Amino acid sequence: GQNIDQPTEMTATEGAIVQINCTYQTSGFNGLFWYQQHAGEAPTFLSYNVLDGLEEKGRFSSFLSRSKGYSYLLLKELQMKDSASYLCANMDSNYQLIWGAGTKLIIKP
Amino acid sequence: DAGITQSPRHKVTETGTPVTLRCHQTENHRYMYWYRQDPGHGLRLIHYSYGVKDTDKGEVSDGYSVSRSKTEDFLLTLESATSSQTSVYFCAISESGGTGANVLTFGAGSRLTVL
Repeated sequence: GQNIDQPTEMTATEGAIVQINCTYQTSGFNGLFWYQQHAGEAPTFLSYNVLDGLEEKGRFSSFLSRSKGYSYLLLKELQMKDSASYLCANMDSNYQLIWGAGTKLIIKP
Repeated sequence: DAGITQSPRHKVTETGTPVTLRCHQTENHRYMYWYRQDPGHGLRLIHYSYGVKDTDKGEVSDGYSVSRSKTEDFLLTLESATSSQTSVYFCAISESGGTGANVLTFGAGSRLTVL
């Protein structure tokens, strides 16, 4: 099956910038998703990349390199409410989502 | 709210008992999914549906069955619950399951504990 890897946990400071990386197997690629999940809540959609490059959406940006099987989520001007888990998911050749285990982001004042 | 509700939100049951989780949507979306989420694992697809009475298995379907008799309802049944099925179960819906931009909207989750 496909593997999708992301760091288990990251810590950053309020007001700073953090980059959360995600790597995936490149065969059968149909798009890369990022979701945010606050503790005890449902995941919510953040971004979708299918072409190489950077997609900016307010304080959050997502980058994709298809040839490298690599994506990152960039969060700027971190706020305490950004403390959450960030889930990376690759859509495979059958249009099924393969999910990473998530990166727990801890924001410190 | 996205118009997707799950019930029950919390359930404790004993090994060997049947359990049914319900997902109800008011968005008229064609695609519905059941996932489980466990520590250290990504979301894992149990079953999904692409229309009324049209369902298919996901990667962890053993021990689970589903039914979709109406567009708005998708039921997940554990015929005989086991402790390994203790998990948080998420229902999700989408408009475009068969295309790339398949954005999922999730329900609030159902926490199931099997003793």
